[in-house]
Amino acid sequence: GAVVSQHPSRVICKSGTSVKIECRSLDFQATTMFWYRQFPKQSLMLMATSNEGSKATYEQGVEKDKFLINHASLTLSTLTVTSAHPEDSSFYICSARAPPLAGGVEQYFGPGTRLTVT
Amino acid sequence: TQLLEQSPQFLSIQEGENLTVYCNSSSVFSSLQWYRQEPGEGPVLLVTVVTGGEVKKLKRLTFQFGDARKDSSLHITAAQPGDTGLYLCAHRTGTASKLTFGTGTRLQVTL
Repeated sequence: GAVVSQHPSRVICKSGTSVKIECRSLDFQATTMFWYRQFPKQSLMLMATSNEGSKATYEQGVEKDKFLINHASLTLSTLTVTSAHPEDSSFYICSARAPPLAGGVEQYFGPGTRLTVT
Repeated sequence: TQLLEQSPQFLSIQEGENLTVYCNSSSVFSSLQWYRQEPGEGPVLLVTVVTGGEVKKLKRLTFQFGDARKDSSLHITAAQPGDTGLYLCAHRTGTASKLTFGTGTRLQVTL
């Protein structure tokens, strides 16, 4: 099946610094990738839709200037958390939309990145 | 917003027991998906249900889509510790097929 990787898997940073998280589709090209955030014991919440070669589309309530998304190639999207604060500590998960297969369009999820801001 | 409410929120059972998880909404969906997420990992797709009343089986897991396509259930027979995880239903929206996840059911199966 399709594989999506994320790097790093864990990161600890100090308050006020910026952190970049990478999401790669390893064996397919993804024109669309998605970024989710998951707080402890909660479900996944979509943050933004990342489109290759164009600006990301952010969900309501997500600050686009704080969560910078770049989708520079068909296999790579990055999420940069700028001026991170402890409340940004969370599990960030990306997914990549695979080319249409018989039966529907599927998203494949990365393993997630645990961000801790101290 | 098309909310997906899952119940129960948390379930702790012993190996060998049966259980059912529910995913409910007031909205009608063209399809619903079920995912399982293990701690520290991304969710993995289990099944997509499309037709009202549809029943799909995946080994010991049985998924059903409500006749009115507003709800779905997941039944696990003879649960095993390997079934432990967060079970999420989700629906796709928009031309980008972005996913909206349900509130989740956390299942713990002990020996």
